[in-house]
Amino acid sequence: DSGVTQTPKHLITATGQRVTLRCSPRSGDLSVYWYQQSLDQGLQFLIQYYNGEERAKGNILERFSAQQFPDLHSELNLSSLELGDSALYFCASSVGGAGGGWSYNEQFFGPGTRLTVL
Amino acid sequence: AQSVTQLDSHVSVSEGTPVLLRCNYSSSYSPSLFWYVQHPNKGLQLLLKYTSAATLVKGINGFEAEFKKSETSFHLTKPSAHMSDAAEYFCGQHNNNDMRFGAGTRLTVKP
Repeated sequence: DSGVTQTPKHLITATGQRVTLRCSPRSGDLSVYWYQQSLDQGLQFLIQYYNGEERAKGNILERFSAQQFPDLHSELNLSSLELGDSALYFCASSVGGAGGGWSYNEQFFGPGTRLTVL
Repeated sequence: AQSVTQLDSHVSVSEGTPVLLRCNYSSSYSPSLFWYVQHPNKGLQLLLKYTSAATLVKGINGFEAEFKKSETSFHLTKPSAHMSDAAEYFCGQHNNNDMRFGAGTRLTVKP
């Protein structure tokens, strides 16, 4: 158990809908990272927040947005869902990451949320 | 744009034999390179990382990887495979706040 929690575990919705995925980082971690894992695209980095502020952006679609709240939990919002958005969405956290931080801060991954868009 | 290529989508070894998972990265002045393991229905776990220190990096569970700049490679090895090593392995490269992963290599370990 990494200490990172994600809810819900599974989510089934229809095209055009909007969903929110939630992540609670490990106690003491200030950075949260979001990843998408799909059969088509593989594992892709989406976005990183550090202490409430966006720090790095990867292949995140405009239909997707995220935020990190004062209690450091994070939410990933996916809107106007398409069939191709079906994937496993991972959250990870690390202690540091003010400057991106992959080089010096190990990321601990949550179990993921499996999103199915029908 | 940087890219990471994992040369084998599937590797099968017998228990007790060596493991070699191959990864090539795109050239960068000072790459940070990683190997992660993903067991079924689990998140990723960091095995090891290279951040411009020693070129031979030792990780958890007996894995190690060697950074070879001339070959732009960062292959993962283990002298003797265990059944518990069966999983998906991802090579990753970080540069300028961008993180890219390879497509993954599924390791099967036969008894």
